Amino acid sequence: DVKVTQSSRYLVKRTGEKVFLECVQDMDHENMFWYRQDPGLGLRLIYFSYDVKMKEKGDIPEGYSVSREKKERFSLILESASTNQTSMYLCASTPSANQPQHFGDGTRLSIL
Amino acid sequence: QKEVEQNSGPLSVPEGAIASLNCTYSDRGSQSFFWYRQYSGKSPELIMFIYSNGDKEDGRFTAQLNKASQYVSLLIRDSQPSDSATYLCAVKNGTSYGKLTFGQGTILTVHP
Repeated sequence: DVKVTQSSRYLVKRTGEKVFLECVQDMDHENMFWYRQDPGLGLRLIYFSYDVKMKEKGDIPEGYSVSREKKERFSLILESASTNQTSMYLCASTPSANQPQHFGDGTRLSIL
Repeated sequence: QKEVEQNSGPLSVPEGAIASLNCTYSDRGSQSFFWYRQYSGKSPELIMFIYSNGDKEDGRFTAQLNKASQYVSLLIRDSQPSDSATYLCAVKNGTSYGKLTFGQGTILTVHP
């Protein structure tokens, strides 16, 4: 069964902190994605990765960076957290381009 | 113009009825279409995917695709209160890596 694990369900950080959100999948999937979901704005793609050390910007990359040093792990980094980055963050993976994405449980991040 | 459009609802149907959820998309090069269900506070869960014109059935769910009209729908037969959730339509266009564009979702309420 598909398993995408996000390191935290809830996280509270302070403005200006550097924040790391971790995502691990155990299915040897090629592609991994980071989204944020906000009321009225839906799911928006931040970054995605199609291979180790490869990354592409999504629709809203500003203020974020990512790291994929190993195939199974995809990290989202908030370089200097701001209150407008308070959101639900969702990680997803897929084995190939036409296969469905499978989501982790999400991390609800609050920046105070 | 939004790339993937859904009626936000809420759509309210009685238990046992057929719920019909609709989605239109703007990119004629779109190749793959996905329906996700999302309960409040949870992450999206894949229900169905469809690639070819016509109908695809899985239990109580039927996905319908009409590429000429750029329209995809999800029918839920014998609706149950447990089907009450937000339903997200997602579309993959001609680009690679499995990047999806999501609609904003339709809220479905099934009342006893």
